[in-house]
Amino acid sequence: NAGVMQNPRHLVRRRGQEARLRCSPMKGHSHVYWYRQLPEEGLKFMVYLQKENIIDESGMPKERFSAEFPKEGPSILRIQQVVRGDSAAYFCASSPQGRQKLFFGSGTQLSVL
Amino acid sequence: EDKVVQSPLSLVVHEGDTVTLNCSYEVTNFRSLLWYKQEKKAPTFLFMLTSSGIEKKSGRLSSILDKKELFSILNITATQTGDSAIYLCAVESQTGANNLFFGTGTRLTVIP
Repeated sequence: NAGVMQNPRHLVRRRGQEARLRCSPMKGHSHVYWYRQLPEEGLKFMVYLQKENIIDESGMPKERFSAEFPKEGPSILRIQQVVRGDSAAYFCASSPQGRQKLFFGSGTQLSVL
Repeated sequence: EDKVVQSPLSLVVHEGDTVTLNCSYEVTNFRSLLWYKQEKKAPTFLFMLTSSGIEKKSGRLSSILDKKELFSILNITATQTGDSAIYLCAVESQTGANNLFFGTGTRLTVIP
């Protein structure tokens, strides 16, 4: 049973480009969460999704950021027109029924040049 | 404002030492407190605590929760270099969909 899979592991983008981060939850998990981690900081909640629905996006910037979790395929976190401040590690986590014990992916390290 | 505070921020010990990591919290409608270990990248689950005074134990790691004083400790005995990691505390609230709040973590370094 594969764990939470994120790709790519590392992503380098120039300012103004788009970044797409993918997350495949554990088998049987229909709840996906995205977190951002800056150096020396804790995990900051961004968005919580269930299949085809955004449940809570209160932690996500209003502009340039969007997330989806389609019926088929992985969850996607999309950052348009990236800026240097977007450089961070982005973690995805999944759970079978929402909250409590989350299973984390290995993260995507986004670097914006 | 809900918050989770971990201390110390970092800790360096020698192999064989015992360490205690602290997590205090202020969260509306507390449901549970979770500890994660983050090595290199993916945080991995250690413990979930919901009741005061009941110690959770896994090998050399143990944790306990005090809901009256709003804190938890994570103990590691006979530390090994493989224990070097960031230890994250997270507190779950019963209210709202976004109800899991993480502390900044304690970076533990165990030197041979």
